[in-house]
Amino acid sequence: EAQVTQNPRYLITVTGKKLTVTCSQNMNHEYMSWYRQDPGLGLRQIYYSMNVEVTDKGDVPEGYKVSRKEKRNFPLILESPSPNQTSLYFCASSPISGNSGNTIYFGEGSWLTVV
Amino acid sequence: GQQVMQIPQYQHVQEGEDFTTYCNSSTTLSNIQWYKQRPGGHPVFLIQLVKSGEVKKQKRLTFQFGEAKKNSSLHITATQTTDVGTYFCAARWAGGTSYGKLTFGQGTILTVHP
Repeated sequence: EAQVTQNPRYLITVTGKKLTVTCSQNMNHEYMSWYRQDPGLGLRQIYYSMNVEVTDKGDVPEGYKVSRKEKRNFPLILESPSPNQTSLYFCASSPISGNSGNTIYFGEGSWLTVV
Repeated sequence: GQQVMQIPQYQHVQEGEDFTTYCNSSTTLSNIQWYKQRPGGHPVFLIQLVKSGEVKKQKRLTFQFGEAKKNSSLHITATQTTDVGTYFCAARWAGGTSYGKLTFGQGTILTVHP
């Protein structure tokens, strides 16, 4: 089954404690991206990657890091989480070309609370 | 940064009524996508519009892309309770902006009363 898998789905952590949210897709997609969703603000893009070793900033990259060492994985790293990073995070992937078009597939989401 | 404005923020309708949400950009878009997110769920891709003036239909849903490629709309005919959720547009801009940059509207939360 084609899917985007995020872990953990729910996490409560403390300010300053480094954490990583993993994202993996099994569709051989070139494009992967991270978004955060906050009430009234919609989804805001944090980082995206067009392929292995190619990453770029979205609209709200501050306080986040990413890496794309393998095509299937795109982890989101919070080096020193702060309470304003409490949010619902979504990972997404899509092909860049081909008959599938540009359909973007989202993971189930990761609820992160920083206290 | 570039923004896409989506209105209305909320829409309450009686089952059977129609519903429309709009997205507007001040600059020309390359393409626009529409998503639906059920309560507690993740966004699900509905459609992508690319051509000026494009109109696409999916059963009771009609998607339009403006002639100037600066606005788009999603219209649902005769809403059903299964239409409940938040509808988002997501835009890519023309003129050299990276393909990877995708900006979402704020979303329209649709409530359907039976």
